[in-house]
Amino acid sequence: EAQVTQNPRYLITVTGKKLTVTCSQNMNHEYMSWYRQDPGLGLRQIYYSMNVEVTDKGDVPEGYKVSRKEKRNFPLILESPSPNQTSLYFCASSFRGHGGDTQYFGPGTRLTVL
Amino acid sequence: GNSVTQMEGPVTLSEEAFLTINCTYTATGYPSLFWYVQYPGEGLQLLLKATKADDKGSNKGFEATYRKETTSFHLEKGSVQVSDSAVYFCALSDTRYGGSQGNLIFGKGTKLSVKP
Repeated sequence: EAQVTQNPRYLITVTGKKLTVTCSQNMNHEYMSWYRQDPGLGLRQIYYSMNVEVTDKGDVPEGYKVSRKEKRNFPLILESPSPNQTSLYFCASSFRGHGGDTQYFGPGTRLTVL
Repeated sequence: GNSVTQMEGPVTLSEEAFLTINCTYTATGYPSLFWYVQYPGEGLQLLLKATKADDKGSNKGFEATYRKETTSFHLEKGSVQVSDSAVYFCALSDTRYGGSQGNLIFGKGTKLSVKP
């Protein structure tokens, strides 16, 4: 089954404790992306990757890191989480990252930073 | 810059009612336009899309037409069902850096509740 998977689905942590949210897709997509969803703000892009070893900032990259060492994986790293990073996070992928491409979303990771 | 404005919810309808969710956009160039749907506890999934002016996207009884003259992409369905209860997001592909790219810019979402 074609899908985007994220782990963990739920995470409660404390300020300053480094964490990684994993994302993996099995569709051989070149483009991958991370979004955060906050009430009243919709989804905002954090980082994206056009291909292996090619990453770039989205609209809200502060406090986040990413890497793309393999085509299928695109982990999101919070080196020192803060309470304002409490949010619902979605990973997405698409075939080539072209404007008309459909993006496929993971199920989401709900992060709470105390 | 590029932006999407969609009607605020929540929207509550009775089953078999007509649905319209308004969406307007601001963009340079020629973006592609999308409607994504998020069912409770799930990620977003594509509902329909249109990649050029005057295109009509349709799926599961939902329709939206890309209107460049009014910069709109309103979502419509003639007869909603309880199973259509979800949050609906209008989005456009980013054109800020030339061309139409895979990065999506989303509206804030409209929550639809359909009562039996």
